[in-house]
Parts: sequence; structure tokens; C-alpha cells
Amino acid sequence: AAGVIQSPRHLIKEKRETATLKCYPIPRHDTVYWYQQGPGQDPQFLISFYEKMQSDKGSIPDRFSAQQFSDYHSELNMSSLELGDSALYFCASSLAMTGNEQFFGPGTRLTVL
Amino acid sequence: AQSVTQPDIHITVSEGASLELRCNYSYGATPYLFWYVQSPGQGLQLLLKYFSGDTLVQGIKGFEAEFKRSQSSFNLRKPSVHWSDAAEYFCAVGKTDSWGKFQFGAGTQVVVTP
Repeated sequence: AAGVIQSPRHLIKEKRETATLKCYPIPRHDTVYWYQQGPGQDPQFLISFYEKMQSDKGSIPDRFSAQQFSDYHSELNMSSLELGDSALYFCASSLAMTGNEQFFGPGTRLTVL
Repeated sequence: AQSVTQPDIHITVSEGASLELRCNYSYGATPYLFWYVQSPGQGLQLLLKYFSGDTLVQGIKGFEAEFKRSQSSFNLRKPSVHWSDAAEYFCAVGKTDSWGKFQFGAGTQVVVTP
């Protein structure tokens, strides 16, 4: 079965650079979530989208923005990167009408030097 | 607001012994409950989930969990652990009324000794 795809899997950036993470949900899923997992931490919710509209917002810095496109894929844009942004970023998708079961992607590991 | 507590940060268990990981939640109604496993540097793999119905849930890799409403708990168990079960385990709570963010517990690191 198709799973959530995230790209890139690994990304290395310098401080103050920008990064774009991509997420391709499971086909027909209409909801996308982004989570950030710092070293030794549990995943923290950043933001979610339902039918291309922002549905919920968590502890996402103002330097970050995200959107969901017409094909339901989502991108997380991160600007003015800081060392503390180094983390594993997960995307998850779900089909809202079937309930809140989220399927997680493999994650993108971002390292900021 | 929903919250999840995993009281045990670290558990060491011998191979072949039983394992129980605790999870307590706080939520205004019956939540959706999940257990995920994460190997180092890897993604989150769903072990099992509880939405409603039978309170004893069977998952993959021989794991099971029991939902106890009176104790607000959703403890994960395995009768006999294998060395490959060494990983970090996260309990998560989701809202039942609509889509919504997951709240994860802090995780329990499981070490399996020979």
C-alpha cells in the first residue's frame, strides 16, 4: 500500500539559510499534519491542513510557513534557519471522514550548521 | 486540553521477559489512542490503535494494549520481548470529534538485554 512520502530524507543547511520540506500524502487523503521532533524529544505538532486550508496551528515559529496544494501535497518552508531548528520533521496524512487516524511518513532530518 | 503521560522514561528488560509500558491520558471524552514505535533515526511505526469497542487491542509484533477508562490508561504489553523490540515507544492521543493534532507522550526508551 502507498505510504506518506517525504522529501528530502536528509537536508543540511547553514544558519540563516532557507529550507523547503515536501510531503506527499497517501492517495485520497485530504488532511496533512506537520510535526517536529528534536533530539531526544517527542514529536511536537506544528500545523495541519484540511482541503488546502489551515485547520490547526501549534508551536510553529513565525519563520516557518506551510501550505497544501491542489494535489494535496504540502510544503513546509523554513527561513532564517537557526541551530535549534535541527530536528526530524514528520508529515502525517489522514482522511478526515474516516476519523483521526494519522499515517506518518519516514521524516526529513534537517541539520543546521 | 489533551495530555499524555508516560511515567517511565527508560525501561530495561531481559530478552524473553514480559514488557509493560504505561500511558495515562487526560482528555474530556473518549479519545483515540495510539502506540507508536521508533527505532533510532527512523520514522514512527504504528503498533496499534484504539477508537472504540473492545478495550483489549491487538497490534503488530505481538503487542497488545488495554484501554481502561476508569484509570485513563492505555498500557502496552508484550508477553515475551525480542532483542529487536529495543526502541523508543510513544503513546499518542488524538481527538475524536474531528481531525486534529496528536499529543504525544515523552516516550519510553526500551533496552533489551541478553
